[in-house]
Amino acid sequence: KNQVEQSPQSLIILEGKNCTLQCNYTVSPFSNLRWYKQDTGRGPVSLTIMTFSENTKSNGRYTATLDADTKQSSLHITASQLSDSASYICVVSAVEYGNKLVFGAGTILRVKS
Amino acid sequence: GAGVSQSPRYKVTKRGQDVALRCDPISGHVSLYWYRQALGQGPEFLTYFNYEAQQDKSGLPNDRFSAERPEGSISTLTIQRTEQRDSAMYRCASSLAGGNTGELFFGEGSRLTVL
Repeated sequence: KNQVEQSPQSLIILEGKNCTLQCNYTVSPFSNLRWYKQDTGRGPVSLTIMTFSENTKSNGRYTATLDADTKQSSLHITASQLSDSASYICVVSAVEYGNKLVFGAGTILRVKS
Repeated sequence: GAGVSQSPRYKVTKRGQDVALRCDPISGHVSLYWYRQALGQGPEFLTYFNYEAQQDKSGLPNDRFSAERPEGSISTLTIQRTEQRDSAMYRCASSLAGGNTGELFFGEGSRLTVL
């Protein structure tokens, strides 16, 4: 079982709408949690990095939240644009394994006009 | 270079052949990581280096896979006696800081197809 589970697996929304992507993890203890955006055929690009003591971090229209007690994180996208169509990947740094990064399978987001 | 460079971008090989994938990280970056990514999946950790030292190779699937970074810069991931299940996108990433605390910058990847 993957230690980082993301939901939904895929999502289609209309341009201008908001959406929230979920990440549940079992990795513990962890040093940081990251969200990446990966365009088709490209490498992942970092959106946010949060340590275990942070609750929220924003990057433009992207806002990530973290609840270390429930081991849940979310990525909220505001006023979606067509260019937001991509795969969004949640990544947790596992202290136990020498801070190895454990990747979720990602959520594929498609924004329609 | 300006970014993480990987070569070859595409490699098609026959089962049983050896392949070597190269990664040239961002100049000055301490840490270098290798991942592989199956279609529709997130990246799967393989191994990582701080300078020339291989810090963690627990993600390498079996002993056919090896990696080196002899001078603390360019790294080579070698797959011996390739099998069809090795087909994937192999991605390299580098980070300025040591350990896993810094931001990662990914290369465009090497697409390996084993026939």
